[in-house]
Amino acid sequence: DVKVTQSSRYLVKRTGEKVFLECVQDMDHENMFWYRQDPGLGLRLIYFSYDVKMKEKGDIPEGYSVSREKKERFSLILESASTNQTSMYLCASSSGAGAETQYFGPGTRLLVL
Amino acid sequence: AQSVTQPDIHITVSEGASLELRCNYSYGATPYLFWYVQSPGQGLQLLLKYFSGDTLVQGIKGFEAEFKRSQSSFNLRKPSVHWSDAAEYFCASVAGGGNKLTFGTGTQLKVEL
Repeated sequence: DVKVTQSSRYLVKRTGEKVFLECVQDMDHENMFWYRQDPGLGLRLIYFSYDVKMKEKGDIPEGYSVSREKKERFSLILESASTNQTSMYLCASSSGAGAETQYFGPGTRLLVL
Repeated sequence: AQSVTQPDIHITVSEGASLELRCNYSYGATPYLFWYVQSPGQGLQLLLKYFSGDTLVQGIKGFEAEFKRSQSSFNLRKPSVHWSDAAEYFCASVAGGGNKLTFGTGTQLKVEL
């Protein structure tokens, strides 16, 4: 079974803090993704990576950056957390494009005070 | 730009009743289409996907979906709902050979015993 793990299930941070969300997959997948999930808005893509050190912006990259130094690990960084970044963050991975299934982690619920 | 519409925010059905969740997509060519389920506190799990061939797709947990090009729809069905099916359901699409999943806003399913 594919396993995607996220470093924290719940996180509470202060406005202005730098926040790191970590995601690890164990299936040697090329592609990794970070989504944000908000009620009534579904999931929106923040960034994705199709190879080590490669990244592309998704629909809502503002206020976020990412890092992929190793194939199995994809980090989402909030340089200076703001209250409007309070949300559920989901990481996913896939072996290819198009019809390939994306496998999701359990999510990190982030509260920014 | 492609979009996915799930017109029903909430649906309540009785256990044992049939279920149909609606999904419409907007894309010029035939996209790849997916249904995911999210149980409370969990990540997303793939139920089924369509990318070509037979327009009736069978998935896990007794779900099926039918692709109808003329209606730009990909509705999810289950003949008899179980209480454990209570969850949020997301329809999603990928345009052509791309990487980017576009999600609908989700339908929350409640099952009455």
